[in-house]
Amino acid sequence: GAGVSQSPSNKVTEKGKDVELRCDPISGHTALYWYRQSLGQGLEFLIYFQGNSAPDKSGLPSDRFSAERTGGSVSTLTIQRTQQEDSAVYLCASSLRLAGGEDEQYFGPGTRLTVT
Amino acid sequence: LAKTTQPVSMDSYEGQEVNITCSHNNIATNDYITWYQQFPSQGPRFIIQGYKTKVTNEVASLFIPADRKSSTLSLPRVSLSDTAVYYCLVGDIGNFNKFYFGSGTKLNVKP
Repeated sequence: GAGVSQSPSNKVTEKGKDVELRCDPISGHTALYWYRQSLGQGLEFLIYFQGNSAPDKSGLPSDRFSAERTGGSVSTLTIQRTQQEDSAVYLCASSLRLAGGEDEQYFGPGTRLTVT
Repeated sequence: LAKTTQPVSMDSYEGQEVNITCSHNNIATNDYITWYQQFPSQGPRFIIQGYKTKVTNEVASLFIPADRKSSTLSLPRVSLSDTAVYYCLVGDIGNFNKFYFGSGTKLNVKP
């Protein structure tokens, strides 16, 4: 079946512009996660959704970052007034359930964001 | 909140067994330990998951001691295609659910 998809695959934007990143999880997966990976670095957890709810937003780097999920499916990560330090690969993952990491996360290919 | 520590890199040769250890001293009672593999320009891919003792699947084994403060991923007879970054993940269901990936171990398999 279809895996996790993300769009766009690449995004180049000017500093100060807003960007919106999209994630389509695997159908039926109730949990969805956003991570950020800077060049040559590990994965930085940003936020997760259980259904449409994000219980904890403290992992978001700043108030310029926001995320939402609608219909228990598609999620968007929005970055306002982008800065050069926002340049990274943004990865989305989904899992069937959320239970202390018991369920395997399926990752999308990521969106490479470059802020010039 | 559970955090993890792994070696930054490891070298090996084709056909050897490779063991990568992850420390997670603050692991919570309900946390599972999961290992992922990541190739360049791709998202991580699930390898194996366990709670305690030993788990084995077709690609790897996972050893978890009784205190669960560490875990060891064992890759038997590695090949060049196993060159990748390996991440240890411990889920924390405390009051918040934050999934900490370790910094990752870059495994370089040489011919």
